[in-house]
Amino acid sequence: GNSVTQMEGPVTLSEEAFLTINCTYTATGYPSLFWYVQYPGEGLQLLLKATKADDKGSNKGFEATYRKETTSFHLEKGSVQVSDSAVYFCALSDQDAGNMLTFGGGTRLMVKP
Amino acid sequence: DGGITQSPKYLFRKEGQNVTLSCEQNLNHDAMYWYRQDPGQGLRLIYYSQIVNDFQKGDIAEGYSVSREKKESFPLTVTSAQKNPTAFYLCASRPPGGRRTGELFFGEGSRLTVL
Repeated sequence: GNSVTQMEGPVTLSEEAFLTINCTYTATGYPSLFWYVQYPGEGLQLLLKATKADDKGSNKGFEATYRKETTSFHLEKGSVQVSDSAVYFCALSDQDAGNMLTFGGGTRLMVKP
Repeated sequence: DGGITQSPKYLFRKEGQNVTLSCEQNLNHDAMYWYRQDPGQGLRLIYYSQIVNDFQKGDIAEGYSVSREKKESFPLTVTSAQKNPTAFYLCASRPPGGRRTGELFFGEGSRLTVL
């Protein structure tokens, strides 16, 4: 079956540091890949997505590239802010699985001033 | 503004009681979903509905029930049969384009605590 594996958190960074959150996946078909962000006490918001190999999703300074050869979709940001503190979820949807979303376990990011 | 509204935001329940969590959307989306989130874990699918008057079990449906009598509404009942109901519950809907990509819109969640 499909699965998503994320690095365990929490990840603690100082403001303006470089961020990488690793995400790898296993899928039977050709999935679409997503990063969702959850701010404290709130639901999930779509941060970015990529629907085919080599696509780069980007939003709010965050980027992730769909790497089929390494089955990865790592999230990066060049300079984090305190307001980026949240839980980040990597997810995939696979047409072979009815396009249901499969989520990773989430990675908590804490940014200190 | 269009969106998904979940209520209540916080709910306390005694053991043995059923509770119903509300989810309403004005986005005109056909498909709606309920997820459960536990601390430090990902989201697990409880139930989903692709269209009015139809719904399917997800990965952890035991102890839960749903109805889909209107397109806008997809309430979730947590029954006394659910052994560990304390969790954060998230409702979501899928836009028409999401049928191809799987993208979902989420509500702000309801936190249920069993005393």
